[in-house]
Parts: sequence; C-alpha cells; structure tokens
Amino acid sequence: GESVGLHLPTLSVQEGDNSIINCAYSNSASDYFIWYKQESGKGPQFIIDIRSNMDKRQGQRVTVLLNKTVKHLSLQIAATQPGDSAVYFCAARRALTFGSGTRLQVQP
Amino acid sequence: DAGVIQSPRHEVTEMGQEVTLRCKPISGHNSLFWYRQTMMRGLELLIYFNNNVPIDDSGMPEDRFSAKMPNASFSTLKIQPSEPRDSAVYFCASSLRGDEAFFGQGTRLTVV
Repeated sequence: GESVGLHLPTLSVQEGDNSIINCAYSNSASDYFIWYKQESGKGPQFIIDIRSNMDKRQGQRVTVLLNKTVKHLSLQIAATQPGDSAVYFCAARRALTFGSGTRLQVQP
Repeated sequence: DAGVIQSPRHEVTEMGQEVTLRCKPISGHNSLFWYRQTMMRGLELLIYFNNNVPIDDSGMPEDRFSAKMPNASFSTLKIQPSEPRDSAVYFCASSLRGDEAFFGQGTRLTVV
C-alpha cells in the first residue's frame, strides 16, 4: 500500500509570515498529488494539485513544490492570514491516500 | 451543483445496532470514496468505487463494514453490528477520473 505522512504535527506562524508545510510519500509511482485544507467541522477542501511531470505549481498565495527524488512535497502559503488556520493534508494517488495532517495556527 | 451530499449529519446509536450512512456524489463524477476520520488514525480510506464498481476495499476494517453503490448517484456505507470504536466522522468524496476529490460535510457517528 501507500503511506503519505507529514513532518510536523503543528505549525504556528505570525500573521503575514510565510508558511511551509511538508509532506513525504512512499510510493514512487504516485503521479498526482493534492493539498487539502480542513477547517473544524467541515470536510477537506481542495487547495492545489500537482502532477508528477511538474516540480512546481503556483496558485493564489499558495505554491506546491514536488521533489520526486526524495518523494517529498511542500505547500507554501504566502502572507499567512488568520483564515488560513486549519489542518492541511497532502494526498497522493491512487485513491487519494491522505497523510496524517498538519495543524496551522496563525497568530494575529 | 449542491456538491457531495451526505446524510445524516449526525448519528447516535447503541452498540449492536445497524447504521447506514448515505452519500450522493456530484453528478457526472465517476469515482466515489468513503473515508473515516478519527483523532488517533487521521483520515483513512475505507473503499472506493469507479463507475459504481468497488475497486479497492482493503481499508474496510472488518466484515461488519459493507459499502454499496447501486447506481451512479447513490452509495451507502453500512456497519452491522456497530461498536463504540466505530465512532468517527465518515466522509464521502467524489471525483472525475480520480483527480481532485470533492468532499461532503461528513457524518459524525457516535456509538454508545
């Protein structure tokens, strides 16, 4: 099977700082990765995805980096806001196996 | 589209009772996933369907759990008999071709 895991269980940042959340995956055959954000009491919500033929993808205030050599991906959030406080999951195909999540706490 | 719809939102049942969770995926999506989320184990994939056919049920904990997808617009996850350790939030998600999955709001199950 596939395991997807996160390096840090909780990340605390100041409002306005940049946040970096990391994730490792085990299956080198994974070809598609997604970052999800989950707020309390809600289901995971899509943030950004990346395919294995890319090493970087940018969205609005978010960037995902993929390093296939070490099977690692990261989510960078620029100018972190209180509304970014949530648990962040990375997921890898097939069937979107999820990591254990990282809680992001933004201090005003 | 209203998104993935799950029912009920909350379920409290006694140990030994049968529990049925329901999911309506987004119209046109051909993949459906059932997940269980707990503090201890995080978000676990239980089973997923592609074109109404179960593809991988290796995450189903034991025979007490069963899932069906009789048509493209409906799926159920049944626990019989339920046990306190089954208490969790159960999510259903759907996607097109196994890409970005859209999640429902979840069913919070409490077995007492």
